[in-house]
Amino acid sequence: DAGITQSPRYKITETGRQVTLMCHQTWSHSYMFWYRQDLGHGLRLIYYSAAADITDKGEVPDGYVVSRSKTENFPLTLESATRSQTSVYFCASREGTSGYNEQFFGPGTRLTVL
Amino acid sequence: KQEVTQIPAALSVPEGENLVLNCSFTDSAIYNLQWFRQDPGKGLTSLLLIQSSQREQTSGRLNASLDKSSGRSTLYIAASQPGDSATYLCAVLIQGAQKLVFGQGTRLTINP
Repeated sequence: DAGITQSPRYKITETGRQVTLMCHQTWSHSYMFWYRQDLGHGLRLIYYSAAADITDKGEVPDGYVVSRSKTENFPLTLESATRSQTSVYFCASREGTSGYNEQFFGPGTRLTVL
Repeated sequence: KQEVTQIPAALSVPEGENLVLNCSFTDSAIYNLQWFRQDPGKGLTSLLLIQSSQREQTSGRLNASLDKSSGRSTLYIAASQPGDSATYLCAVLIQGAQKLVFGQGTRLTINP
């Protein structure tokens, strides 16, 4: 299927465990993004990537790790999950930085840390 | 620092009305402005993108305008339907940056 997919869609884990959220896009977009969405905070950027092997921090990167070995995949890892990382996580992609390029979002992963 | 504001935070109107959602931004140096729709528990769906050189874009019953000099955009929804109920977010792509800056959204309810 074309588009952007995230897995798992729902995840429950315990404090201190490592969790990896997956993101895959079929458009070969150069840019990919991870956001978290929480009530009262809106969408906050965690990390983004301009191309394979190029990543950079967003507003709230602490406690998260990303990698991008292939253009189409951009996994997000919580190295030691904390309750404050309970949130809905969205992956997004965009072709480049110009006025023509729409940004598209995945369906989200709802993560609960107990 | 670019700031994006959406007013009102929530809006409730009867079915069939035409309505306008507002978005303002503080820095006019943008590549584009994008309007999204988010249904409860779902991801963001792109509705319209307006490039900085454009004044408006239309898709079906939706029309988005952009006045870059005044830092404003509006999303006009014609003949509203209950299925239009959702949260609408605007976001700007700043020149020289890679990330979108989002507003907090307007939660729209269309009453049958």
